[in-house]
Parts: sequence; C-alpha cells; structure tokens
Amino acid sequence: DTEVTQTPKHLVMGMTNKKSLKCEQHMGHRAMYWYKQKAKKPPELMFVYSYEKLSINESVPSRFSPECPNSSLLNLHLHALQPEDSALYLCASSQEEGPGGGTQYFGPGTRLLVL
Amino acid sequence: EDQVTQSPEALRLQEGESSSLNCSYTVSGLRGLFWYRQDPGKGPEFLFTLYSAGEEKEKERLKATLTKKESFLHITAPKPEDSATYLCAVSYYGNKLVFGAGTILRVKS
Repeated sequence: DTEVTQTPKHLVMGMTNKKSLKCEQHMGHRAMYWYKQKAKKPPELMFVYSYEKLSINESVPSRFSPECPNSSLLNLHLHALQPEDSALYLCASSQEEGPGGGTQYFGPGTRLLVL
Repeated sequence: EDQVTQSPEALRLQEGESSSLNCSYTVSGLRGLFWYRQDPGKGPEFLFTLYSAGEEKEKERLKATLTKKESFLHITAPKPEDSATYLCAVSYYGNKLVFGAGTILRVKS
C-alpha cells in the first residue's frame, strides 16, 4: 500500500484565520514533505522532515509552520495567510531522505483558498 | 545551472496514436529520475523510477527509458483515460526533487 492521506480536501480561510492541514502515511516512511503547487505549475518544495526532525526549510514565510508529531503524521499550521498563498498543498513521503532515499509518494492534496 | 526541461508543453493525440514525451536534465550526480501522472486538482501519481542510463520500465501502455541526458515516456496506443499532465522529476542530492514543468497530454477518441 502506497497511500498518503490528507485532510481536509478543500479549505477556505480568511487572512486572519488559523487553520491546519494534516497528512498521514502508514508505509513506515521516515521522510515526509510539504509541497505547494500553483495552477499549471509543478510542485515546489516547502519543508522536509526526516526522522521527525525538520531537515529542509525552503525559505518559507513564517505564516506556514510545519509540525511532525510522530513518524506517521505531518501537519502544516497556517496563520495570517495572504490571497497569493491560495494553492494545492501536497504532502509526500519516502523511505528515507538521504541519497537513494527512494520514491516520493504523494497524497491527494488540500485545495486552499485564502480570501 | 541544474535544470529539468520537458517537451512538448502540450500534446494532442488521437486514440491509438503512439508518441513520446521527453525529459532532459542538466544535473550532476543524478540519484534518480521519476515520472508522475497528475490529474487536475489531484496529487501526482507515481509511475516509474529510473536510476541508471539504459534502464527501462513498463506499465500497461507506458514505457520509460533513461539515457545520460534525458528520459522518454513512450505511450503506446493511448486511450482517452491516459489524458493527464505527466511530470518528470530528478533527485540529485539528498532526496530533494526538482520537477520539470510537465507535459499536458490530451487523447481524443
């Protein structure tokens, strides 16, 4: 089973709201990722967690706050977002982060609209 | 500069009309090349991983090949349900993926 699940599927929020995106995998993968994808563009890496520790932060604004409570869960906390943050947010996981870490498997995404 | 370039940007095929998509890369120390299929509003669906030049993988109507500079995704006798955006990505240090812009494939019956 190569399933990564994400909730919610859709989210509409105002610029003063606080919300969270959730991601879960049960493949025993030790690396998890957040990507942002704008319409007609490829996914852009935001964060990488390896063994529940933040490994890569691609200079993402602090209004996005990732959290990895355990090896199966990854959250993305959202606060004071801007309309330009509206996008499809994708979670992915792979066996490891390092060289030869294996294929990244993606979840279905959360479609976020910031009003 | 490390780059991943996919061509064509868009491709329209008749059902049954075979063709190929191209992914060229200029990264050093390639760790892996990945093909994904993405339907509108959904997450990328994994298709193939290729690690070394000369490697080939097949799945139903799709066949992926890899050389030292590029990869091809061959689609044999496509069907309308093969319509999607096909993304190529390369891993060249750590497990950080660099994506190409994708090829939008439309197959008409």
